[in-house]
Amino acid sequence: QSVLTQPPSVSGAPGQTVTISCNGSSSNIGAGYDVHWYQQIPGAAPKVLMCGNTNRPLGVPDRFSGSKSGTSASLAITALQAEDEADYYCQSYDSSLSVVMFGGGTKLTVL
Amino acid sequence: EVQLVESGGGLVQPGGSLRLSCVASGFTFSSHWMHWVRQAPGKGLEWVSRINKDGTRESYADSVKGRFTISRDNAKDTLYLQMNSLTADDTAVYYCTRGRLSSCLDLWGQGTLVTVSS
Repeated sequence: QSVLTQPPSVSGAPGQTVTISCNGSSSNIGAGYDVHWYQQIPGAAPKVLMCGNTNRPLGVPDRFSGSKSGTSASLAITALQAEDEADYYCQSYDSSLSVVMFGGGTKLTVL
Repeated sequence: EVQLVESGGGLVQPGGSLRLSCVASGFTFSSHWMHWVRQAPGKGLEWVSRINKDGTRESYADSVKGRFTISRDNAKDTLYLQMNSLTADDTAVYYCTRGRLSSCLDLWGQGTLVTVSS
C-alpha cells in the first residue's frame, strides 16, 4: 500500500478534462517536497510529464498541468485524446521514511 | 543521443545474485544523481535506490536494504545494482533513471527484466 494515494482508475471521453489526484501527508507533500508525474504507455518505460509540481519538460503538451496544495497534488489533462490512455504515477519524497516514493498509479481510459 | 541502456537481467534462482549495469550516453553522467526503479509484472512503480553524483551517498527502499548495493563508475558513465539474496518478490523490470532536483526522474532506460525462480 502506497503512502501516496491515487485513484486506481479514471476515465473520460475525447475532448473532456480529467483530473488525477495524489494524496499524501505531512511528511511528504505536506512537508513541502515536490511532486512529479509520469506517464506509462503499456509495454513502454515511464516518461516524465511534470517535474517539480507544475513544470512541464520540453515536448510535453500544455494539455497537461500540475498543481499542489497542502498534502495533495493533482494532474489535469484537458482536451483528452486517445493517445493519453496510459497509467499515471505521482512521486515525491517522504522525510519520515527517508525514501523516494511513488503513488500506486492511476489507469486512464479514454472512452 | 541522450539515453540510458540497462543490461544484466535474466533468470536467477532464489537466493542467487545478479548485477545490473546501466550505461549512460549523451549527457554528463557525473553531474547527476542516479536511481533504480522497478516494476513487478502487472504492478506499479517501486523506487529501489539512489546514489549521489560522486558515489559517496546511497539510500535504499526498506524492501532491498541490506541485500542490494548501488554503485557507479563515473569514468565509465556506468551505474550498477548488485542484487544478492534474491527472492521471488524481486522479480521485476528494473529501470535505470536520471535524477534532477527534488528527485524528478527525467530520463529512463528501457528496463531489464529480472526473474527469480527455481
